[in-house]
Amino acid sequence: GAVVSQHPSRVICKSGTSVKIECRSLDFQATTMFWYRQFPKQSLMLMATSNEGSKATYEQGVEKDKFLINHASLTLSTLTVTSAHPEDSSFYICSGTVKNIQYFGAGTRLSVL
Amino acid sequence: GDSVTQMEGPVTLSEEAFLTINCTYTATGYPSLFWYVQYPGEGLQLLLKATKADDKGSNKGFEATYRKETTSFHLEKGSVQVSDSAVYFCALSDDTGGFKTIFGAGTRLFVKA
Repeated sequence: GAVVSQHPSRVICKSGTSVKIECRSLDFQATTMFWYRQFPKQSLMLMATSNEGSKATYEQGVEKDKFLINHASLTLSTLTVTSAHPEDSSFYICSGTVKNIQYFGAGTRLSVL
Repeated sequence: GDSVTQMEGPVTLSEEAFLTINCTYTATGYPSLFWYVQYPGEGLQLLLKATKADDKGSNKGFEATYRKETTSFHLEKGSVQVSDSAVYFCALSDDTGGFKTIFGAGTRLFVKA
């Protein structure tokens, strides 16, 4: 199957700082990648669809100025949590699609103090 | 809109017991159906899939059959192992929705030795 690498796996930051999470497709080109957020013991909530070379499409209720997405190449999408606050603490997961199957990164656990 | 409903957990079984996790769906088109597994602290991994009615997906002893008449995709395994302890997500992907994947709430499985 296709491989998606997500970095970092864990990050702890102070309130008010910004955090960047990288998502790379290692063995396929991803014109579209997805960013999810997962709260403890809950399902994945789609935050946004990242489109290579164009603006991301955000789901209703997700602040685009808070969660900045950049998809500058066919193998890299980044999610930047700006001015992070404790309520942004969560598990963030990205995915890329190959033939209608989603392949997920290992996730990034963000803890905002 | 499309949705996925799966049985609430947690499900606790003894090793070698039979497993069934129920999943039903609603979709406007002809979706592909998936089961993903998430081990503690990790991202999601594709477990199995089925792309059309009556298809059976299978992997690692797990099976699920795409039942269009009952809009179901129940996950089964004849003999579970401790290593199967994880969270299982039923999901669908519908090409009418731009191949977004809709996830069920997840079912946590605990297998005791």
